[in-house]
Amino acid sequence: EAQVTQNPRYLITVTGKKLTVTCSQNMNHEYMSWYRQDPGLGLRQIYYSMNVEVTDKGDVPEGYKVSRKEKRNFPLILESPSPNQTSLYFCASSGASGGVFYEQYFGPGTRLTVT
Amino acid sequence: GQQLNQSPQSMFIQEGEDVSMNCTSSSIFNTWLWYKQDPGEGPVLLIALYKAGELTSNGRLTAQFGITRKDSFLNISASIPSDVGIYFCAGQLRISYGKLTFGQGTILTVHP
Repeated sequence: EAQVTQNPRYLITVTGKKLTVTCSQNMNHEYMSWYRQDPGLGLRQIYYSMNVEVTDKGDVPEGYKVSRKEKRNFPLILESPSPNQTSLYFCASSGASGGVFYEQYFGPGTRLTVT
Repeated sequence: GQQLNQSPQSMFIQEGEDVSMNCTSSSIFNTWLWYKQDPGEGPVLLIALYKAGELTSNGRLTAQFGITRKDSFLNISASIPSDVGIYFCAGQLRISYGKLTFGQGTILTVHP
């Protein structure tokens, strides 16, 4: 079954304590991306990756890091979380050819609270 | 960055009614995408549009890529209770297709 998995699904942490949210896909997709969802703002792209070792900033990259060492994994790292990073986070994986998405899957989401 | 304005923000309709929502952009996009998000789930891609003027259907859903390439429309015909959710548009540029810009979403409520 094609799927994108995220862990953890829920996390409550304190300001400044480094954390990593993992994302893994089993579809051999080259393209992966991270989004945050906040009420009234829709989804905003944090980072994306076109392939292994190729990453680029989305619209709201400040305070986040990513890495793409393997095709299937794309972890999101918060080195020093702050309360304004409290949000619902989604990872997505897409099959693309010639700049066109022919399929796309989102993970189930990670709800992060930073106190 | 680019801005997408999606309207309306919310809709309350009766089962069986048709629904229309749209997105407008300050910039041109090469691709428009429409998604639906059910409560507690991640978004699901409904329709993708790749050419200006393109009209594409997926069951009761029909979406159009505006001629100016700065807007897109989604119509749902004969709504049913399971259409409830949040609908998002997103724009994509071919030159940097990894970057997606989303609208704020339209919350759809369908009364039986």
